[in-house]
Amino acid sequence: SQTIHQWPATLVQPVGSPLSLECTVEGTSNPNLYWYRQAAGRGLQLLFYSVGIGQISSEVPQNLSASRPQDRQFILSSKKLLLSDSGFYLCAWSTSGTSGTNEQFFGPGTRLTVL
Amino acid sequence: GNSVTQMEGPVTLSEEAFLTINCTYTATGYPSLFWYVQYPGEGLQLLLKATKADDKGSNKGFEATYRKETTSFHLEKGSVQVSDSAVYFCALSSNYKLTFGKGTLLTVNP
Repeated sequence: SQTIHQWPATLVQPVGSPLSLECTVEGTSNPNLYWYRQAAGRGLQLLFYSVGIGQISSEVPQNLSASRPQDRQFILSSKKLLLSDSGFYLCAWSTSGTSGTNEQFFGPGTRLTVL
Repeated sequence: GNSVTQMEGPVTLSEEAFLTINCTYTATGYPSLFWYVQYPGEGLQLLLKATKADDKGSNKGFEATYRKETTSFHLEKGSVQVSDSAVYFCALSSNYKLTFGKGTLLTVNP
């Protein structure tokens, strides 16, 4: 069966510090991968998605970036965090291609607090 | 573009009450529709789905029917439990991506 991991689970970082959040998927090949942010009391905002190694699509201009160095690894980064980067970051995967239902499966999330 | 509108709540019910959370959508083509549930401090879990018109998705006593004529996918449960307290998200799929509603907070009191 497929599983998705995210770490760390929680993170407290000062403004201006770098960020690296990691997501890995097990039990599937060539998944589509996604990064979302959920601000407190609000809905989900799609940040990035990837349909293959080295391929990244950005949905929202910001000081974050994403990379996919391996088939089942997705990394969210920042060189300098802002207060507004605080939130709950969720990674998700779906089967490759655009056919089918494209249901997504979510990881447990990372709670980021920028002080 | 695609959009999903769901009642924002919050919704507060007593245990064993009937639940309805409304969801309507705007989309080109024939998207698949989903309900996700998020318990406090956790990621989203897929609750149910429907892939074509008139399909009924069901899971854990929850149901939703894909109504193309009214572009709706309302979530219902006949008798809620305290353990159903969570945030519920309606979503539709298009190409690679999901479009989510803003979520509805449900609180069930004993």
